Amino acid sequence: KAGVTQTPRYLIKTRGQQVTLSCSPISGHRSVSWYQQTPGQGLQFLFEYFSETQRNKGNFPGRFSGRQFSNSRSEMNVSTLELGDSALYLCASSLENSFYEQYFGPGTRLTVT
Amino acid sequence: GDSVTQMEGPVTLSEEAFLTINCTYTATGYPSLFWYVQYPGEGLQLLLKATKADDKGSNKGFEATYRKETTSFHLEKGSVQVSDSAVYFCALNRPEPGNQFYFGTGTSLTVIP
Repeated sequence: KAGVTQTPRYLIKTRGQQVTLSCSPISGHRSVSWYQQTPGQGLQFLFEYFSETQRNKGNFPGRFSGRQFSNSRSEMNVSTLELGDSALYLCASSLENSFYEQYFGPGTRLTVT
Repeated sequence: GDSVTQMEGPVTLSEEAFLTINCTYTATGYPSLFWYVQYPGEGLQLLLKATKADDKGSNKGFEATYRKETTSFHLEKGSVQVSDSAVYFCALNRPEPGNQFYFGTGTSLTVIP
């Protein structure tokens, strides 16, 4: 079974621009979560999507948004990029509920200059 | 709110030494608990999990027991190898609805020959 895939793997953007990251979950997984990983803050939960609906949301500003398509693929968008948005963005997929582990993709490394 | 606190690193051990990485949590209800490992340049991989009190998760020689009375989920291994060098994350997934994982800040482990 193929794992979670994320594209692109690396991205360099300029302050003020916007960016879209993509995540394809493991086949059969309908829950997709996004995390921001930085050396200072560790892993922070952004949001979770399930069946095209945002089911949970972390404490991030409205510049961070996401969506999920009918095939469970998900995208996250960051608008008006700031230097502090430089991070590794991880996507994870899982089966429906909290008893199941999440499977992580390799991440997208975003650098904002 | 829900949170996970884990032992600060970095930790450096000699090969075949005993490993303990402490993890405590704060959560409402009965969360599931997980240990994830991250090797350099890669995403997170599930190491082990426990879904209810007194459950013991184990994998690749690592063990952790879900202790509700002490709200702990300490990771142990009797004899570490150089290949165990990585960053270890303790995490909880709060009870439904949905998935919302809370991660500790990670503990970096280096095993020297």
